[in-house]
Amino acid sequence: GAVVSQHPSWVICKSGTSVKIECRSLDFQATTMFWYRQFPKQSLMLMATSNEGSKATYEQGVEKDKFLINHASLTLSTLTVTSAHPEDSSFYICSARDYLTGGANYGYTFGSGTRLTVV
Amino acid sequence: KQEVTQIPAALSVPEGENLVLNCSFTDSAIYNLQWFRQDPGKGLTSLLLIQSSQREQTSGRLNASLDKSSGRSTLYIAASQPGDSATYLCAVSGNTPLVFGKGTRLSVIA
Repeated sequence: GAVVSQHPSWVICKSGTSVKIECRSLDFQATTMFWYRQFPKQSLMLMATSNEGSKATYEQGVEKDKFLINHASLTLSTLTVTSAHPEDSSFYICSARDYLTGGANYGYTFGSGTRLTVV
Repeated sequence: KQEVTQIPAALSVPEGENLVLNCSFTDSAIYNLQWFRQDPGKGLTSLLLIQSSQREQTSGRLNASLDKSSGRSTLYIAASQPGDSATYLCAVSGNTPLVFGKGTRLSVIA
Protein backbone atom coordinates (compact mmCIF):
# COMPACT_ATOMS: atom_id res chain seq x y z
CA GLY A 1 0.00 0.00 0.00
CA ALA A 2 0.93 3.66 -0.20
CA VAL A 3 3.63 4.64 2.27
CA VAL A 4 4.63 8.15 3.27
CA SER A 5 7.87 8.70 5.14
CA GLN A 6 8.49 11.84 7.18
CA HIS A 7 11.76 12.97 8.73
CA PRO A 8 12.87 13.90 11.26
CA SER A 9 10.44 12.49 13.80
CA TRP A 10 11.46 15.12 16.31
CA VAL A 11 13.72 18.16 16.34
CA ILE A 12 14.75 20.76 18.90
CA CYS A 13 16.10 24.03 17.61
CA LYS A 14 17.07 27.42 18.92
CA SER A 15 14.84 30.41 18.41
CA GLY A 16 15.72 32.22 15.19
CA THR A 17 17.05 29.21 13.33
CA SER A 18 15.38 27.35 10.46
CA VAL A 19 14.24 23.75 10.39
CA LYS A 20 13.53 21.58 7.36
CA ILE A 21 11.07 18.68 7.43
CA GLU A 22 10.95 16.13 4.63
CA CYS A 23 7.99 14.17 3.36
CA ARG A 24 8.51 11.35 0.87
CA SER A 25 6.11 9.07 -0.93
CA LEU A 26 7.97 5.77 -1.02
CA ASP A 27 6.04 3.63 -3.43
CA PHE A 28 3.94 6.03 -5.44
CA GLN A 29 4.15 9.38 -7.14
CA ALA A 30 2.47 12.29 -5.44
CA THR A 31 1.82 15.36 -7.53
CA THR A 32 0.19 16.88 -4.48
CA MET A 33 1.11 16.64 -0.84
CA PHE A 34 -0.44 18.29 2.17
CA TRP A 35 1.05 19.78 5.31
CA TYR A 36 -0.87 19.84 8.58
CA ARG A 37 -0.19 21.26 11.99
CA GLN A 38 -1.55 19.84 15.20
CA PHE A 39 -1.57 21.45 18.63
CA PRO A 40 -1.90 19.31 21.76
CA LYS A 41 -5.28 17.62 22.02
CA GLN A 42 -6.48 19.42 18.91
CA SER A 43 -7.32 18.12 15.49
CA LEU A 44 -5.24 18.59 12.38
CA MET A 45 -5.25 21.96 10.68
CA LEU A 46 -4.34 22.10 7.01
CA MET A 47 -1.52 24.55 6.47
CA ALA A 48 -0.82 24.25 2.78
CA THR A 49 -1.10 22.13 -0.32
CA SER A 50 2.21 21.35 -1.94
CA ASN A 51 2.14 21.08 -5.74
CA GLU A 52 4.94 19.41 -7.68
CA GLY A 53 6.69 21.90 -9.90
CA SER A 54 4.65 24.90 -8.85
CA LYS A 55 3.93 27.14 -5.89
CA ALA A 56 2.23 25.82 -2.81
CA THR A 57 -1.26 26.91 -1.91
CA TYR A 58 -1.49 28.22 1.64
CA GLU A 59 -4.54 28.25 3.85
CA GLN A 60 -5.79 31.52 5.20
CA GLY A 61 -3.73 32.76 8.11
CA VAL A 62 -0.63 30.71 7.30
CA GLU A 63 2.46 32.83 6.61
CA LYS A 64 3.99 31.62 3.37
CA ASP A 65 7.28 33.38 4.08
CA LYS A 66 7.59 31.59 7.39
CA PHE A 67 6.58 28.16 6.23
CA LEU A 68 8.43 27.58 2.97
CA ILE A 69 7.27 24.61 0.94
CA ASN A 70 9.19 23.04 -1.91
CA HIS A 71 7.89 20.14 -4.00
CA ALA A 72 10.71 19.61 -6.47
CA SER A 73 9.98 16.00 -7.39
CA LEU A 74 7.05 13.62 -7.57
CA THR A 75 8.13 11.91 -4.36
CA LEU A 76 9.44 14.67 -2.13
CA SER A 77 8.00 17.74 -0.47
CA THR A 78 9.81 19.79 2.16
CA LEU A 79 8.51 22.22 4.74
CA THR A 80 11.00 24.72 6.12
CA VAL A 81 10.09 26.66 9.22
CA THR A 82 12.14 29.82 8.95
CA SER A 83 13.26 31.98 11.86
CA ALA A 84 11.50 29.63 14.24
CA HIS A 85 10.01 30.93 17.46
CA PRO A 86 8.64 29.08 20.48
CA GLU A 87 5.09 29.59 19.23
CA ASP A 88 6.00 27.50 16.18
CA SER A 89 6.48 24.51 18.44
CA SER A 90 3.95 21.97 17.30
CA PHE A 91 3.40 18.60 15.64
CA TYR A 92 3.68 18.78 11.85
CA ILE A 93 2.29 15.98 9.67
CA CYS A 94 2.37 15.51 5.94
CA SER A 95 -0.03 13.56 3.79
CA ALA A 96 -0.31 12.36 0.22
CA ARG A 97 -2.67 10.37 -1.93
CA ASP A 98 -1.87 7.97 -4.73
CA TYR A 99 -4.06 10.00 -7.04
CA LEU A 100 -2.37 8.82 -10.22
CA THR A 101 -3.40 5.24 -9.49
CA GLY A 102 -6.77 5.63 -7.87
CA GLY A 103 -7.94 9.16 -8.48
CA ALA A 104 -10.19 10.87 -5.99
CA ASN A 105 -11.38 7.53 -4.66
CA TYR A 106 -8.09 6.73 -3.01
CA GLY A 107 -7.61 7.46 0.62
CA TYR A 108 -4.92 9.63 2.09
CA THR A 109 -1.77 8.30 3.70
CA PHE A 110 -0.02 10.21 6.45
CA GLY A 111 3.56 10.45 7.57
CA SER A 112 4.52 9.70 11.14
CA GLY A 113 4.78 13.37 12.04
CA THR A 114 7.52 15.68 13.27
CA ARG A 115 7.54 17.10 16.78
CA LEU A 116 9.18 20.54 16.61
CA THR A 117 10.30 22.22 19.80
CA VAL A 118 11.77 25.71 19.58
CA VAL A 119 13.72 26.82 22.64
CA LYS B 1 -17.60 25.18 4.05
CA GLN B 2 -17.40 21.56 5.16
CA GLU B 3 -17.51 20.99 8.90
CA VAL B 4 -16.98 17.66 10.63
CA THR B 5 -18.19 16.95 14.15
CA GLN B 6 -17.33 13.94 16.27
CA ILE B 7 -19.25 12.77 19.30
CA PRO B 8 -18.34 11.99 22.00
CA ALA B 9 -15.12 13.95 22.50
CA ALA B 10 -13.90 11.35 24.99
CA LEU B 11 -15.00 7.88 25.97
CA SER B 12 -13.87 5.47 28.65
CA VAL B 13 -15.10 1.89 28.61
CA PRO B 14 -14.20 -1.40 30.27
CA GLU B 15 -12.45 -4.01 28.20
CA GLY B 16 -14.75 -6.20 26.14
CA GLU B 17 -17.45 -3.65 25.48
CA ASN B 18 -18.77 -2.90 22.04
CA LEU B 19 -18.78 0.79 21.28
CA VAL B 20 -19.84 3.31 18.66
CA LEU B 21 -18.12 6.51 17.65
CA ASN B 22 -20.11 9.09 15.73
CA CYS B 23 -19.13 11.49 12.97
CA SER B 24 -21.30 14.02 11.14
CA PHE B 25 -20.51 16.35 8.26
CA THR B 26 -22.38 19.31 6.83
CA ASP B 27 -21.78 18.98 3.09
CA SER B 28 -22.87 15.66 1.61
CA ALA B 29 -20.92 16.23 -1.63
CA ILE B 30 -18.00 14.02 -0.63
CA TYR B 31 -15.81 11.54 -2.50
CA ASN B 32 -15.13 9.39 0.52
CA LEU B 33 -14.80 9.29 4.28
CA GLN B 34 -11.84 7.94 6.23
CA TRP B 35 -11.48 6.86 9.81
CA PHE B 36 -8.02 7.21 11.32
CA ARG B 37 -6.38 6.22 14.53
CA GLN B 38 -3.77 8.40 16.22
CA ASP B 39 -1.66 7.31 19.16
CA PRO B 40 -0.16 10.05 21.37
CA GLY B 41 2.69 11.84 19.60
CA LYS B 42 2.31 9.73 16.48
CA GLY B 43 1.05 10.13 12.97
CA LEU B 44 -2.25 8.88 11.61
CA THR B 45 -3.04 5.30 10.70
CA SER B 46 -5.86 4.80 8.23
CA LEU B 47 -8.41 2.32 9.56
CA LEU B 48 -11.20 2.32 7.02
CA LEU B 49 -12.02 4.15 3.82
CA ILE B 50 -15.63 4.34 2.65
CA GLN B 51 -16.37 5.57 -0.84
CA SER B 52 -19.36 7.86 -1.29
CA SER B 53 -21.22 5.08 -3.11
CA GLN B 54 -20.69 2.58 -0.30
CA ARG B 55 -22.70 2.01 2.86
CA GLU B 56 -20.13 0.31 5.05
CA GLN B 57 -16.66 -1.17 5.32
CA THR B 58 -15.33 -3.78 7.70
CA SER B 59 -11.86 -4.64 8.91
CA GLY B 60 -11.52 -7.15 11.70
CA ARG B 61 -13.33 -5.83 14.76
CA LEU B 62 -14.01 -2.52 13.09
CA ASN B 63 -17.06 -1.63 11.06
CA ALA B 64 -17.74 1.80 9.62
CA SER B 65 -21.02 2.88 8.09
CA LEU B 66 -21.83 5.85 5.92
CA ASP B 67 -25.14 7.59 5.35
CA LYS B 68 -24.14 10.24 2.88
CA SER B 69 -27.56 11.83 2.51
CA SER B 70 -27.86 12.51 6.22
CA GLY B 71 -24.17 13.39 6.61
CA ARG B 72 -23.36 10.72 9.17
CA SER B 73 -20.88 7.96 9.74
CA THR B 74 -20.35 5.62 12.65
CA LEU B 75 -17.35 3.54 13.64
CA TYR B 76 -18.26 0.39 15.52
CA ILE B 77 -15.57 -1.35 17.57
CA ALA B 78 -16.42 -4.83 18.76
CA ALA B 79 -15.01 -6.43 21.88
CA SER B 80 -12.80 -3.48 22.75
CA GLN B 81 -9.26 -4.08 24.04
CA PRO B 82 -6.82 -1.87 25.96
CA GLY B 83 -4.74 -1.69 22.79
CA ASP B 84 -7.63 0.14 21.13
CA SER B 85 -6.98 3.15 23.36
CA ALA B 86 -6.18 6.06 21.06
CA THR B 87 -7.77 9.07 19.40
CA TYR B 88 -10.05 8.24 16.49
CA LEU B 89 -10.40 10.83 13.78
CA CYS B 90 -13.02 11.05 11.08
CA ALA B 91 -12.20 12.95 7.88
CA VAL B 92 -14.10 13.62 4.67
CA SER B 93 -12.70 14.20 1.22
CA GLY B 94 -14.47 16.30 -1.38
CA ASN B 95 -13.43 19.08 -3.71
CA THR B 96 -11.14 20.30 -0.96
CA PRO B 97 -8.43 18.40 0.92
CA LEU B 98 -9.37 16.28 3.90
CA VAL B 99 -11.45 17.99 6.55
CA PHE B 100 -11.08 16.49 10.01
CA GLY B 101 -13.24 16.28 13.05
CA LYS B 102 -11.68 16.97 16.45
CA GLY B 103 -11.58 13.30 17.28
CA THR B 104 -12.80 10.97 20.00
CA ARG B 105 -10.27 10.03 22.69
CA LEU B 106 -10.95 6.43 23.62
CA SER B 107 -9.69 4.73 26.75
CA VAL B 108 -10.31 1.02 27.19
CA ILE B 109 -9.76 -0.03 30.78
CA ALA B 110 -8.45 -3.53 31.49
